[in-house]
Amino acid sequence: QQPVQSPQAVILREGEDAVINCSSSKALYSVHWYRQKHGEAPVFLMILLKGGEQKGHEKISASFNEKKQQSSLYLTASQLSYSGTYFCGTEIAYNTDKLIFGTGTRLQVFP
Amino acid sequence: NAGVTQTPKFRVLKTGQSMTLLCAQDMNHEYMYWYRQDPGMGLRLIHYSVGEGTTAKGEVPDGYNVSRLKKQNFLLGLESAAPSQTSVYFCASSPGHWIAQNYEQYFGPGTRLTVT
Repeated sequence: QQPVQSPQAVILREGEDAVINCSSSKALYSVHWYRQKHGEAPVFLMILLKGGEQKGHEKISASFNEKKQQSSLYLTASQLSYSGTYFCGTEIAYNTDKLIFGTGTRLQVFP
Repeated sequence: NAGVTQTPKFRVLKTGQSMTLLCAQDMNHEYMYWYRQDPGMGLRLIHYSVGEGTTAKGEVPDGYNVSRLKKQNFLLGLESAAPSQTSVYFCASSPGHWIAQNYEQYFGPGTRLTVT
């Protein structure tokens, strides 16, 4: 049931773009994105709900393709502060109170 | 506001010992969660609670027990620790279900537990 994230790791130069994908074998009702810096707690980025619109947060945005059971996180013109591990959390049944997280994508941005 | 706090930050146990991890939040949140994080495994849900006096099992509940006697506290217990329970444990809280207001989960700083 754990969603699959790809790629597992990404290395970027400042200013480059990246896309992180989160795929599920089950129907998704919502997808949540979090970022965790090394040695710190995960921090919320955004939620995408079934039937909802693409979300944006500064230069980080995400989409939710219900038919493909997939969400994608877009990082545009990456900054050093974007470095960390990105996790998607998925809700695989309607109105449950819990998330199933993926294994994470490690993003490193260099000057 | 302190947000979500966890006690202790680090702990080393011997196999068979017991301990309790404390999670406290001062945001009056209804929902609370316990996760464990292992290298390459992401965050896995152990137990969660949707209100004072309620608890439910997550993905990996075996070997753990929880209690939510007060709304602000969520305790995670290990009755007989095993080396497989070596991990980083995160507690999180949320105002309620995300459908209502796009509620996020707020995470505590984590507890690093080693079982030898």
